[in-house]
Amino acid sequence: RKEVEQDPGPFNVPEGATVAFNCTYSNSASQSFFWYRQDCRKEPKLLMSVYSSGNEDGRFTAQLNRASQYISLLIRDSKLSDSATYLCVVKGDSWGKLQFGAGTQVVVTP
Amino acid sequence: DTEVTQTPKHLVMGMTNKKSLKCEQHMGHRAMYWYKQKAKKPPELMFVYSYEKLSINESVPSRFSPECPNSSLLNLHLHALQPEDSALYLCASSQDSSYNSPLHFGNGTRLTVT
Repeated sequence: RKEVEQDPGPFNVPEGATVAFNCTYSNSASQSFFWYRQDCRKEPKLLMSVYSSGNEDGRFTAQLNRASQYISLLIRDSKLSDSATYLCVVKGDSWGKLQFGAGTQVVVTP
Repeated sequence: DTEVTQTPKHLVMGMTNKKSLKCEQHMGHRAMYWYKQKAKKPPELMFVYSYEKLSINESVPSRFSPECPNSSLLNLHLHALQPEDSALYLCASSQDSSYNSPLHFGNGTRLTVT
């Protein structure tokens, strides 16, 4: 079983709609969680950290469910520019080592 | 614009060549990383430097040799690479290697080995 798993998608989303997707992790001792976005042939860019109480940054909302060991990302009022691959990143008990999910592709269509 | 700068952006090298990838950050970060990413796959960790000391080597072949000359610079020396080493090589930095320090990636070097 992979340490971090994501639905690869693609999630095809009409512009203006809401999309949400999850990421599950296997190590219950994991401490930190992040969402990155990666555009085709570009580097990953930090979208947001995920806090225990959940957090929001503009149209993006991240949630953490420790009991079920997953994090989620919700994008409201989707823009064409939101089309990207969203990488779930989990930092566990290994010093300096992060576990990457394989990414969820989101395609926002006009 | 990324605050982690990588050079070159593109590199084509033969299997007998020696080349180096360079990475620089001026954010005062004390942890620096090399990742390798193949198409449609997540980044794979290669090396971690913390306070200029190598702290993690993910069993990377010796044809890849990292170097951290100072807290702002990270190099990756390449020698006798194989075509399957062709990939996007990403440098990243973080404030330190503690749990809450997210990574900041450079824009990568796209390497092709012929």
